[in-house]
Amino acid sequence: DQQVKQNSPSLSVQEGRISILNCDYTNSMFDYFLWYKKYPAEGPTFLISISSIKDKNEDGRFTVFLNKSAKHLSLHIVPSQPGDSAVYFCAASAGGSQGNLIFGKGTKLSVKP
Amino acid sequence: DTEVTQTPKHLVMGMTNKKSLKCEQHMGHRAMYWYKQKAKKPPELMFVYSYEKLSINESVPSRFSPECPNSSLLNLHLHALQPEDSALYLCASSHLGHGDATNEKLFFGSGTQLSVL
Repeated sequence: DQQVKQNSPSLSVQEGRISILNCDYTNSMFDYFLWYKKYPAEGPTFLISISSIKDKNEDGRFTVFLNKSAKHLSLHIVPSQPGDSAVYFCAASAGGSQGNLIFGKGTKLSVKP
Repeated sequence: DTEVTQTPKHLVMGMTNKKSLKCEQHMGHRAMYWYKQKAKKPPELMFVYSYEKLSINESVPSRFSPECPNSSLLNLHLHALQPEDSALYLCASSHLGHGDATNEKLFFGSGTQLSVL
């Protein structure tokens, strides 16, 4: 049973527009959420995170929103750039789990010029 | 230095071979991890080392044997693997602490793409 779900395997967006990647989770014990970006033949790279005590965290063009009641988070990228094209993984952890991140299956984002 | 270095990048081995994957970091992280990622699947945790001691083994078959010689190095010894073990093997590291959720921020290496024939 998947605890972290990314229901859209792919997303295509025009350069300059907003990209919205969604993630749902089922485990109410999760208290820390992360987004990773992965290029082909490379390991995942940390992008942005959010603690469950917050509902928004912003870093430059990237903003993560957390809706705890809906067990839903989203990553907004604006404006989207061709270099953002990659697979984006949502990950979650429960307090004290020390690195036992539960990953979603990923969403492949394609930003077209 | 914010890199986790993994060698080799690619490995092809037979089912009777013995090989080792290596991982190195110099960020002072005291937690190191092995993840396995199959194509079109999310990374899955295999092992966690905390202060050079094995703290988590996610029911991984004994044909995978991890080793942490010191705080900067992590090895994964492979023996008698099966073709279904073919995957991308990712090493990661992070800080260790108490009650700080930012410890969950893992730094990943580029992985070793393993093919078992």
